[in-house]
Amino acid sequence: DAGVTQSPTHLIKTRGQQVTLRCSPKSGHDTVSWYQQALGQGPQFIFQYYEEEERQRGNFPDRFSGHQFPNYSSELNVNALLLGDSALYLCASSPTGEADTQYFGPGTRLTVL
Amino acid sequence: AQSVTQLGSHVSVSEGALVLLRCNYSSSVPPYLFWYVQYPNQGLQLLLKYTSAATLVKGINGFEAEFKKSETSFHLTKPSAHMSDAAEYFCAVSVHNTDKLIFGTGTRLQVFP
Repeated sequence: DAGVTQSPTHLIKTRGQQVTLRCSPKSGHDTVSWYQQALGQGPQFIFQYYEEEERQRGNFPDRFSGHQFPNYSSELNVNALLLGDSALYLCASSPTGEADTQYFGPGTRLTVL
Repeated sequence: AQSVTQLGSHVSVSEGALVLLRCNYSSSVPPYLFWYVQYPNQGLQLLLKYTSAATLVKGINGFEAEFKKSETSFHLTKPSAHMSDAAEYFCAVSVHNTDKLIFGTGTRLQVFP
């Protein structure tokens, strides 16, 4: 049983560019959450998707947007990249009825130059 | 608002010694509490969770944590450290049905032979 997968593993962008990160949840999970983990910090909640809708959002600007597809996979989009967006982006999926137990993927390391 | 504070950004122990990682929480309602471990260049793995059942929670790899409401604490312990326990450990809190995890800043555990 594959766990949560994320692509790409690493990404380098320049300021002002746009980026799309992808996440496939664990089999049977329908809820996907995204977190940003800056170097030396704990993960910060960005938003959560359920039934293709954004259900909750953390304190992140509108430059951060997302999408969930009918197969429950999800994308995180970041527009107008800033140097401060450099971080590890983690995707987590949750089983139905246990949205407070999240299984994390390995993350995508984004570097903004 | 919910929050967690992890005391000690770095903890060093000898192999075979007791591991104690400290976490205090703040929540106006009964919290759900979690400990996650992160190995280098990997995502987060759930060690254990407290969801208002037994106050002593046993997790994977020999770890356990005790919920103490009077002290607002949820410290993580392991009787005997292994070299393989060296990693970053994060305490997190969520409020039931909000599904959002709020993480502490993490504690890096080093284990010396």
